[in-house]
Amino acid sequence: DGGITQSPKYLFRKEGQNVTLSCEQNLNHDAMYWYRQDPGQGLRLIYYSQIVNDFQKGDIAEGYSVSREKKESFPLTVTSAQKNPTAFYLCASSMRGAGTSGSYEQYFGPGTRLTVT
Amino acid sequence: KQEVTQIPAALSVPEGENLVLNCSFTDSAIYNLQWFRQDPGKGLTSLLLIQSSQREQTSGRLNASLDKSSGRSTLYIAASQPGDSATYLCAVSDTNAGKSTFGDGTTLTVKP
Repeated sequence: DGGITQSPKYLFRKEGQNVTLSCEQNLNHDAMYWYRQDPGQGLRLIYYSQIVNDFQKGDIAEGYSVSREKKESFPLTVTSAQKNPTAFYLCASSMRGAGTSGSYEQYFGPGTRLTVT
Repeated sequence: KQEVTQIPAALSVPEGENLVLNCSFTDSAIYNLQWFRQDPGKGLTSLLLIQSSQREQTSGRLNASLDKSSGRSTLYIAASQPGDSATYLCAVSDTNAGKSTFGDGTTLTVKP
């Protein structure tokens, strides 16, 4: 089955620890995105990547880092510098990336709920 | 900076009713607009995608329209069912890498 997987579904961490959230897609999509969702709110863009080995900051990148070493993988690290890390994190992908054709239609994974205490 | 607003924030209707969800955006220079459904604690499911050159898209009981000049989109749901209960989000993508700005969503409850 083609799709996007995120692991784990629930993640608990102590304040001051870095944590990495996994996102993998087998849709052969060029672009991948990370969003954060807080209760009762829409999604806010953290980072996005249009091509392997390249990524750009979104609207709320402070306290987060990413890498894009493989087309199918886009892990997100929540660092200790992120002041309010507890949230629901969603990964998405779209066919079209830098210099390629296709749709920007976004497909989402099931999300990871991170709780930091 | 693009801003997306969805009104109402919550809506409750009896089963079988037709309903309209609204989405407005401030910058008309969009590449496309996408409607999503989100069930509690889950990821987003794409419902309809409207390219900036299109006026509407239909899928089953769903119809989405786009008026780019006025910065508005509507999602029409015909003959609503309890299974339609969810949060509906709209997102507009700009012409730069498909970056999307989301509204806060409308939470729909369809009562049997």
